[in-house]
Amino acid sequence: AQSVTQLGSHVSVSEGALVLLRCNYSSSVPPYLFWYVQYPNQGLQLLLKYTTGATLVKGINGFEAEFKKSETSFHLTKPSAHMSDAAEYFCAVKEAAGNKLTFGGGTRVLVKP
Amino acid sequence: DTAVSQTPKYLVTQMGNDKSIKCEQNLGHDTMYWYKQDSKKFLKIMFSYNNKELIINETVPNRFSPKSPDKAHLNLHINSLELGDSAVYFCASSGSWNTEAFFGQGTRLTVV
Repeated sequence: AQSVTQLGSHVSVSEGALVLLRCNYSSSVPPYLFWYVQYPNQGLQLLLKYTTGATLVKGINGFEAEFKKSETSFHLTKPSAHMSDAAEYFCAVKEAAGNKLTFGGGTRVLVKP
Repeated sequence: DTAVSQTPKYLVTQMGNDKSIKCEQNLGHDTMYWYKQDSKKFLKIMFSYNNKELIINETVPNRFSPKSPDKAHLNLHINSLELGDSAVYFCASSGSWNTEAFFGQGTRLTVV
């Protein structure tokens, strides 16, 4: 069974500082990996995804993530935080042959001016 | 041009009532889902339908019954509502040609 662990339920960063959100997964087969963002009182919006090919993927709003198979990780980064990045971020995994999207527990990002 | 829309956005009801949440997607996707997000923001899949057929049915009380009249619609009916059913319910869809799921704006259900 697949599972996703996000280290840190809350992350506080200063505006302009690096944002690093950690995600580790367990899956019996190579999975598809996703990061979603949820702004207050809204649905989930896809930030980026990894399916195959290049392990460093770029997404919207300046975010990127790197798939490391040996570490079973898919950490999300952004070089310089902006106030508008304050939101809840979810890592998710989906087995390539399956339909089930499994989410991590989420990380709330707070950006300090 | 909303992709995945669900109604209502807010639902406040008393314990014991029966309520429905409707979901429609105009993306031409084959697969639709219902997710429950609890007060700690944890997201858990409840059901998934592919071309109107149930393919995922997680451990959910049988008071919850999904219905898919066609592949563009997936409704969720809840009988005998309980306080613990209070949560945000998200509908989502995905296609066979892509891997990610597209989410609706959510329905915040409050049972009092």
